[in-house]
Amino acid sequence: GAVVSQHPSRVICKSGTSVKIECRSLDFQATTMFWYRQFPKKSLMLMATSNEGSKATYEQGVEKDKFLINHASLTLSTLTVTSAHPEDSSFYICSADRLAGVSAQYFGPGTRLLVL
Amino acid sequence: DAKTTQPPSMDCAEGRAANLPCNHSTISGNEYVYWYRQIHSQGPQYIIHGLKNNETNEMASLIITEDRKSSTLILPHATLRDTAVYYCIVRVDTNAGKSTFGDGTTLTVKP
Repeated sequence: GAVVSQHPSRVICKSGTSVKIECRSLDFQATTMFWYRQFPKKSLMLMATSNEGSKATYEQGVEKDKFLINHASLTLSTLTVTSAHPEDSSFYICSADRLAGVSAQYFGPGTRLLVL
Repeated sequence: DAKTTQPPSMDCAEGRAANLPCNHSTISGNEYVYWYRQIHSQGPQYIIHGLKNNETNEMASLIITEDRKSSTLILPHATLRDTAVYYCIVRVDTNAGKSTFGDGTTLTVKP
């Protein structure tokens, strides 16, 4: 199956700092990537849709100035959590669609963020 | 995307078939049924998807009812490593088709 990677897999940061998470599609091109967050024992919640070469589309209630998304190429999308606070601690997961054909979303392994 | 309904939990004996149901009574004609699973602290893993015909791959089989209002994921010979949360999702097959996750079914395979 298609491979999607995320970096870093785990990050601990101080409150007030910014954290960047990378999502890469390793063996296919993706015009669209998605960012999710997941709290313990909860389901995945879609945060935003990342579109290559254009602005991301955010879900209702997600602050676009807080969660900056950049999709600069067909294989890379980044999520930056700005001025992180403890309540931003969560499991962040990205996914990517294949460029053509019947698509299946392939998910990255996730990034666990802990804000102290 | 259409909403799906799944039982919160199921148990299955190791080596037996696991049949996981999903109700998607408001599915639209252009929406596919996708199944994913998530093992603890990992990203969801794609299992299988289909539109209206039954599908089979090396991991599982997908049975979709004729009216497309429900489906069943079948793991033919469950192993302990199949213990996970299984999500049934309906989405359009486009590059902008969002996946909206419900609560899924926690499948526990027991020895």
